[in-house]
Amino acid sequence: QQPVQSPQAVILREGEDAVINCSSSKALYSVHWYRQKHGEAPVFLMILLKGGEQMRHEKISASFNEKKQQSSLYLTASQLSYSGTYFCGTYGSSNTGKLIFGQGTTLQVKP
Amino acid sequence: DTEVTQTPKHLVMGMTNKKSLKCEQHMGHRAMYWYKQKAKKPPELMFVYSYEKLSINESVPSRFSPECPNSSLLNLHLHALQPEDSALYLCASSQDIGPENEQFFGPGTRLTVL
Repeated sequence: QQPVQSPQAVILREGEDAVINCSSSKALYSVHWYRQKHGEAPVFLMILLKGGEQMRHEKISASFNEKKQQSSLYLTASQLSYSGTYFCGTYGSSNTGKLIFGQGTTLQVKP
Repeated sequence: DTEVTQTPKHLVMGMTNKKSLKCEQHMGHRAMYWYKQKAKKPPELMFVYSYEKLSINESVPSRFSPECPNSSLLNLHLHALQPEDSALYLCASSQDIGPENEQFFGPGTRLTVL
């Protein structure tokens, strides 16, 4: 079941904050976050595991609410380099190799 | 070396051609993946190899044939493709299969089927 991301697109000025949400109708074991710039490969940002702590990567952090089957990615004091498409990917159980990506959120940071 | 390499970068082929995509990693990872990505869409899983054995086939048409000759290499053999198969084909690897493992993606092969 593909997770649903919101919003679909965000435009920010440098220094502003943004939140990207990822939700699933099914129980989740873990959530992965990736960023893909145009014409490039997706780059791993962080993993959130069931029962795990909130994670942080530089000024980007994420949370995972297992009960609500949701994850949120928080981008603080955004930089131009944050521009790209953000994908969440979910695993429904601990014994699967299948990562299912959400449809993506396009983030554009302007000077 | 934390890189996944893919060759070729671009490929144009006719519907009757046979071609292969190649992926390589030297991180000692035991899981390797093929994804297909259409423009403005997320990557879609095609195949997963774990310890050189096919673990997942997402009901991919037989005109796509994966091969894992050793733990560092992953190939995707293409035959009798359709124009709708045109896409970016991404290879990825991870330490092991499963939700605790981050995936490292290669730059992809952009495939055009005429």
